[in-house]
Parts: sequence; structure tokens; C-alpha cells
Amino acid sequence: AQSVTQLDSQVPVFEEAPVELRCNYSSSVSVYLFWYVQYPNQGLQLLLKYLSGSTLVKGINGFEAEFNKSQTSFHLRKPSVHISDTAEYFCAVSEYNNNDMRFGAGTRLTVKP
Amino acid sequence: DTAVSQTPKYLVTQMGNDKSIKCEQNLGHDTMYWYKQDSKKFLKIMFSYNNKELIINETVPNRFSPKSPDKAHLNLHINSLELGDSAVYFCASSPRAGGTDTQYFGPGTRLTVL
Repeated sequence: AQSVTQLDSQVPVFEEAPVELRCNYSSSVSVYLFWYVQYPNQGLQLLLKYLSGSTLVKGINGFEAEFNKSQTSFHLRKPSVHISDTAEYFCAVSEYNNNDMRFGAGTRLTVKP
Repeated sequence: DTAVSQTPKYLVTQMGNDKSIKCEQNLGHDTMYWYKQDSKKFLKIMFSYNNKELIINETVPNRFSPKSPDKAHLNLHINSLELGDSAVYFCASSPRAGGTDTQYFGPGTRLTVL
């Protein structure tokens, strides 16, 4: 079965700084990769996803992620963060023809003024 | 219009009680899910239904019983509640089963067992 590791549980950054949230996955078959964001007291919403094709995926709110098959990674980046980006970010992986999506433990991004 | 709704938003109850959480989606999706998020924010799938049929049944106590009366609704009934059941429960839906579709999450139900 597939699994996901988010290497940082907390990432504090200053406003307008760049940020990278790291995600590594494990699977023996083709995968689909997702990043979701959870704002306080809300459900998760999709930021972006990789299904196939270009390995650089652009999402909402200026976020992007790059699929690296050789390193089994799908790191999330933003060149300049805002206070409003403060949230919990979840990386998730599913496998071809498998409805079971596995989530990482989450990374708490805190943007400070 | 709320895409995926859950009721109640908060649920506080005593150990040993039986409670239900309801979920409805108005997106016309075929597939629905229940997730449990613990106090450390770890999100774990519990069940998934596709067109009212159970397709994922993770290792959860049999005190938890999902029920899908139609493909727009997926309810979760919990018998004999325990302290460890305290968590936030999220319902989600996706257009189809199969792993490629975005999942749309409800706002969550915070269950506190005293």
C-alpha cells in the first residue's frame, strides 16, 4: 500500500519569504499526488494535484509543486507567502484504480509579520 | 449552496452513548468517504462508498457503522462511545471512485466524549 511522509511538522516563515513544504511518498505502482490545505476550523480544500504529464503543477493561491519520480517527492513551494497562508498543509497519494487516498501527517505553516 | 454538509458541527456526549453524524453532498458525486482526524491532525480514512456500495472498510472498531441510503448521503453511527473516539470526523465526496478525482470535504464534526 502507498504511504506519505511529510518531513516537517511545523514551518515558521516571515511574510513575503519563500517556502517549501516537503513530501515524500512510497508506492510500488503509478501514483497520483495531491496537496490539500486546511484553514483553522475548516475542512480540507485542494491546492493542486499531479495525475500525469508535466511534472511542474501549478495550483491556487500561487502555490506550485514538482513531481520527482526518481526521488519519490512532491514538494510544495510558494515564492512569497502571505499571512493568510497560515494553515495546515497535507500531502496525499493514491494509486492507479485504487480509491484509497493516504494522507501525510500534515505540516503546520505559520506566516509571521 | 454548501457542497458537502455535515450535522452536527459539534457533538459532546458521555461514554457509552450511541450517536450519529449525517453527511450530505449536492455535487452529484458517486463516491463518499468518512475520515477521522485526531488531535495531532493525522487524517485517516475509515470508509468509502461508491453508488451506495461499501468499497473501503479500514480497520475500525465494529462500533462504527456507516450507512448510505442514497448516493447523496453517507451517515456514520457510533455505538458505545469511548474516550478514544474523540476526534474531528470529516465527510468527503468525489465524482467517481478510482483515485484521480479531487475529494471535496465537509466542514467536520468535532466529537468530544466525556
